[in-house]
Amino acid sequence: DTGVSQDPRHKITKRGQNVTFRCDPISEHNRLYWYRQTLGQGPEFLTYFQNEAQLEKSRLLSDRFSAERPKGSFSTLEIQRTEQGDSAMYLCASSTGTGLYEQYFGPGTRLTVT
Amino acid sequence: AQRVTQPEKLLSVFKGAPVELKCNYSYSGSPELFWYVQYSRQRLQLLLRHISRESIKGFTADLNKGETSFHLKKPFAQEEDSAMYYCALPPGANSKLTFGKGITLSVRP
Repeated sequence: DTGVSQDPRHKITKRGQNVTFRCDPISEHNRLYWYRQTLGQGPEFLTYFQNEAQLEKSRLLSDRFSAERPKGSFSTLEIQRTEQGDSAMYLCASSTGTGLYEQYFGPGTRLTVT
Repeated sequence: AQRVTQPEKLLSVFKGAPVELKCNYSYSGSPELFWYVQYSRQRLQLLLRHISRESIKGFTADLNKGETSFHLKKPFAQEEDSAMYYCALPPGANSKLTFGKGITLSVRP
């Protein structure tokens, strides 16, 4: 499968623990996006990268959240000291970043904080 | 700030009936709009975009700047159209997407 992949697909953690998610974009895509989706809502933008540079962060991305894309390929999203309100589907998407783009989405990581 | 509104959460129709999924937007510039679809147990994928003026799987959407709408239409619904549909707006090229809350389309046999 040459699409966007995310790992893990499901994560259950206790409140206060740290979690890290990984996203592998389509190989030639230089733009990578993170979104969060809660029940009954559409995906909400968190942050995006062009190559290794993080170009924009949403106000939704509190200090407990950090994202990296160290070599401009895969990306990680870390949540420190998880709270029950962090329970959501975390989606990753990638695009070529040129012209009128299409964002290709991964399957998501479902986080449950107990 | 840009905003996308999908006023209905659920649309249930019989096979062969016409479908219109509503989307209204708020944006100060000249918008580009997209419809994304998520079938059961599949990932979110692009269905169609305004600028392409194309028909995908029998669906079309026309941008109405006067009414700030981008409704998705299909004249004859099929059972395989049952899915979650999201309207989305990028504030600029190669940028984040602002999504509506989505609507569930259920097509009954």
